[in-house]
Amino acid sequence: NAGVTQTPKFRILKIGQSMTLQCTQDMNHNYMYWYRQDPGMGLKLIYYSVGAGITDKGEVPNGYNVSRSTTEDFPLRLELAAPSQTSVYFCASGLTGTMTSEQYFGPGTRLTVT
Amino acid sequence: EDQVTQSPEALRLQEGESSSLNCSYTVSGLRGLFWYRQDPGKGPEFLFTLYSAGEEKEKERLKATLTKKESFLHITAPKPEDSATYLCAVQASSSNTGKLIFGQGTTLQVKP
Repeated sequence: NAGVTQTPKFRILKIGQSMTLQCTQDMNHNYMYWYRQDPGMGLKLIYYSVGAGITDKGEVPNGYNVSRSTTEDFPLRLELAAPSQTSVYFCASGLTGTMTSEQYFGPGTRLTVT
Repeated sequence: EDQVTQSPEALRLQEGESSSLNCSYTVSGLRGLFWYRQDPGKGPEFLFTLYSAGEEKEKERLKATLTKKESFLHITAPKPEDSATYLCAVQASSSNTGKLIFGQGTTLQVKP
């Protein structure tokens, strides 16, 4: 199993450009998440999905959008990039049940908006 | 408001010098507390889940413990390869979506 994969690893955007961060998992997990990590700030939840066709906002959703058409894929869309979106983005997946709810993370995408 | 605070922010140890990392939490009912390890430039790697006060889990030189207000990650006789950022996260019992609230992390450096 590859686990959670993310592309690209690095990207530089100009202000106002748009892009999609890709995330794929091969563990058949129903739950998927997008986080951003800023220095000294911990991980903040952007959006999450509890299954194909179902998504919801997390703590910091403004400026982002998501879709979940399959169990495996959960892309994150940035529209009209702003410098405040410079961050490291992590995708995660989990099989939340009664007891087991740990999340497994991808390697991250480092995004710079200038 | 649910909150997680980790201390210290950074910790430097000599190889073999044991110590503990703290994770204090405020949550409206705890479903689970999670410890992750994060190496520079990589995603967090799952270490432990603790579910109830008094529970302990061990993995090599690491032992995680849980009380009603905090969790400790004890590192016994650390080696340089234990250098990383350690993240603590909680899931509230009110959450059935697996949502985690993370602390800001403790960066551990172990010198040979």
